Amino acid sequence: EVQLVESGGGLVQPGRSLRLSCAASGFTFDDYAMHWVRQAPGKGLEWVSGISWNSGSIGYADSVKGRFTISRDNAKNSLYLQMNSLRAEDTALYYCAKASKDQAVAGSDYWGQGTLVTVSS
Amino acid sequence: DIQMTQSPSSLSASVGDRVTITCQASQDISNYLNWYQQKPGKAPKLLIYDASNLETGVPSRFSGSGSGTDFTFTISSLQPEDIATYYCQQYDNLPPTFGQGTKLEIK
Repeated sequence: EVQLVESGGGLVQPGRSLRLSCAASGFTFDDYAMHWVRQAPGKGLEWVSGISWNSGSIGYADSVKGRFTISRDNAKNSLYLQMNSLRAEDTALYYCAKASKDQAVAGSDYWGQGTLVTVSS
Repeated sequence: DIQMTQSPSSLSASVGDRVTITCQASQDISNYLNWYQQKPGKAPKLLIYDASNLETGVPSRFSGSGSGTDFTFTISSLQPEDIATYYCQQYDNLPPTFGQGTKLEIK
């Protein structure tokens, strides 16, 4: 059974940093790309970032480019999102999602339950 | 970026009704389109991939069609447990953009 468990969310002041983690199990992690997708309270889904199976291809939404960094550790079956210079508009539930193939240009077939990030002073 | 225009934004229908949601891409995306269901307080769930393929375990009352720029998602006979918000997503190009969502309610 595929399981994706996010952690690292919380309340943080504007301008500060936070690192999200996603622990994956139930599939061969290094066969698939991975994504971060967020959902602001009461809003729709917004793709944040994606990373190919070998970290060779990475993409970011314009809204986070230059502030967020995605990475993965295939030995640890883990995905990360380093979020710097956080803004109020980054407040959202952040989902870790497994891509349906090894490249970042892919949909997602499994999702975690999300970790909430609140940016507020 | 490819824009995905989903309609309607909300929909009220009766149990047993046929329900249709459309999604239009701002450029040709071939069949690189997913449909997701999101129930309140839950993570999205993949229902349809590659525009028309039913994900394993998903009831056959759900279906998808289309290619190029115009796509349709259909529930053939609405059930009470289908109350959710539905999203399309293209994955032809980065960023893999979502439609705005369709909130489905029971009349």
